[in-house]
Amino acid sequence: QAVVTQEPSLTVSPGGTVTLTCGSSTGAVTSGHYPFWYQQKPGQAPRTLIYDTTNKNSLTPARFSGSLLGGKAALTLSGAQPEDEADYYCLLSYSGARVFGGGTKLTVL
Amino acid sequence: EEQLVESGGGLVQPGGSLRLSCAASGFTFSDYWMNWFRQAPGKGLEWVANIKADGSEKHYVESVQGRFAISRDNAKKSLYLQMNSLRAEDTAVYYCASPRGWGKGTLVTVSS
Repeated sequence: QAVVTQEPSLTVSPGGTVTLTCGSSTGAVTSGHYPFWYQQKPGQAPRTLIYDTTNKNSLTPARFSGSLLGGKAALTLSGAQPEDEADYYCLLSYSGARVFGGGTKLTVL
Repeated sequence: EEQLVESGGGLVQPGGSLRLSCAASGFTFSDYWMNWFRQAPGKGLEWVANIKADGSEKHYVESVQGRFAISRDNAKKSLYLQMNSLRAEDTAVYYCASPRGWGKGTLVTVSS
């Protein structure tokens, strides 16, 4: 089974920009991995931020964007807000099966 | 508004069985792959299983292969997960998810 890697933790200043990445042990992440990004706050269910690499859910704030960057999937947050402090998970597809990354704990400080 | 509501969780002894259900509304259920995910206490998210829109294709994480079975009823807009031979390590909150939405989850506890 493939291993999906994320930064364990990142810190961003309010109003700042941060990029979270999602790599695959099998090689470069492509659009064919249909990257998803999820946000989870303590005590809450996750919610979908980005699907199929770049597409935003209807309620995803405009400050979040998805892309492919240097062989990885990337989630960029531009203009961080205190309410963006959360755990972020990426999910990649491998011919039907899905694998999560270990998650990134984002601190806004 | 898309809504997913899980049910069927609870306390079960090791080796026992449970059937989870997920009722969908607010979107065209029959158009989408559907997933079951889980999260053990204090741990990250884990994908469990998924099923194609028409039910013709199913995939499972290796740790549940042969023990769990995913199914769907598009007429009832419902997703199911039959869990057999449950183990302590299956203890988790189980989430039903569409490509864009998640349910609130149902807790499964496997303990004697």
